[in-house]
Amino acid sequence: DIQMTQSPSSLSASVGDRVTITCRANQSISTFLNWYQQNPGKAPKLLIYAASSLQSGVPSRFSGSGSGTDFTLTISSLQPEDFATYYCQQSYSTLTWTFGHGTKVEVK
Amino acid sequence: EVQVVESGGGLVQPGRSLRLSCAASGFTFDDYAMHWVRQAPGKGLEWVAGISWNSGSMAYVDSVKGRFTISRDNAKNSLYLQMNGLRAEDTALYYCVKEGPSEFFDYWGQGTLVTVSS
Repeated sequence: DIQMTQSPSSLSASVGDRVTITCRANQSISTFLNWYQQNPGKAPKLLIYAASSLQSGVPSRFSGSGSGTDFTLTISSLQPEDFATYYCQQSYSTLTWTFGHGTKVEVK
Repeated sequence: EVQVVESGGGLVQPGRSLRLSCAASGFTFDDYAMHWVRQAPGKGLEWVAGISWNSGSMAYVDSVKGRFTISRDNAKNSLYLQMNGLRAEDTALYYCVKEGPSEFFDYWGQGTLVTVSS
């Protein structure tokens, strides 16, 4: 089974900061990697798909990179609405898609 | 407007069964694979099960194999999750999720809460 490891599990940052979250797969998944944002009490929202493609309507301060086993989500300038939990997800294995354990971005 | 709406959650005793339903609208249901994802209270997201557009393929997370069954009725634009032998660790908010055109989840319901407790 493909396992996804996210780091850090949480981080503290301020508005305007550049934030980077990493996700590592235990085998190569090409670019079958998605990122989601979840606010408390809400359903997750797709941010990035195929490692680096920005979902329609998502602000351009969000970006993704990577391929193979190592991936990164970057928020170029953190905004108040970005304090949330972020999850990576692999979609390499047909129908069997696993998530990372999440990274909570908190106010510093 | 795409909508997926879950129902069927509730409080159930360990060992009992529950059937979740998801009503989909706003898209051509039989064009897309569908999934169930759950989130235990205060925990992260866990993919539970997925089914292809034509029910030709199903897949499950190891912890529910042999206990849960995913199914769909394309004529009714509906997705189901039959959950048997429920355990306390199955307690979670269960989301119905639409797979997008390029291997991602593009629409999520608001979830239905399943609580397994005596």
